[in-house]
Amino acid sequence: KAGVTQTPRYLIKTRGQQVTLSCSPISGHRSVSWYQQTPGQGLQFLFEYFSETQRNKGNFPGRFSGRQFSNSRSEMNVSTLELGDSALYLCASSSGTGNYGYTFGSGTRLTVV
Amino acid sequence: AQTVTQSQPEMSVQEAETVTLSCTYDTSESDYYLFWYKQPPSRQMILVIRQEAYKQQNATENRFSVNFQKAAKSFSLKISDSQLGDAAMYFCAYRANSKLTFGKGITLSVRP
Repeated sequence: KAGVTQTPRYLIKTRGQQVTLSCSPISGHRSVSWYQQTPGQGLQFLFEYFSETQRNKGNFPGRFSGRQFSNSRSEMNVSTLELGDSALYLCASSSGTGNYGYTFGSGTRLTVV
Repeated sequence: AQTVTQSQPEMSVQEAETVTLSCTYDTSESDYYLFWYKQPPSRQMILVIRQEAYKQQNATENRFSVNFQKAAKSFSLKISDSQLGDAAMYFCAYRANSKLTFGKGITLSVRP
């Protein structure tokens, strides 16, 4: 059974650009969540999608957006990149409620220069 | 707001010994779930153990067990017979309202 796949693994972007990160959940999982991990702030929740609907959203500016497709794959977009957006972005999938835990991908390391 | 506190940034344990990682949380919810995740240098978060708040019995998974004290809002992880492969960052997490709230994590090193 394939795990959670995130692409790309590494990304270098320039300030002001935009970026799109992709996440393919475990087959059959309908919930996808996104987290930002930085040394200073730790792991912070961005948003969660379930069956193409955003179910919850963290405290991030509107430059951070996401969506989920009918096959449960999800994309996260960050527009007008800032240096502070440099982070590891982790995607996690679960079957629904997440009560049995989430399965994480290996993340996308974004560096903004 | 829910918060998760891991007060020890680093810990070290001798191989084959036992170590306990502490975690406290704050919540007004009555129905929630608690998790410990491990993050090795490969970056992938791996679920170690989970605990339902409504269950009084402490969860156990092989060498890993928890001490869940609901009234004290404490959720510590005990690793028995520590192995070199246990070296990683460990995160305590609380789940409610379809999101995970993580602690800052603790770096565990294992001495051979």
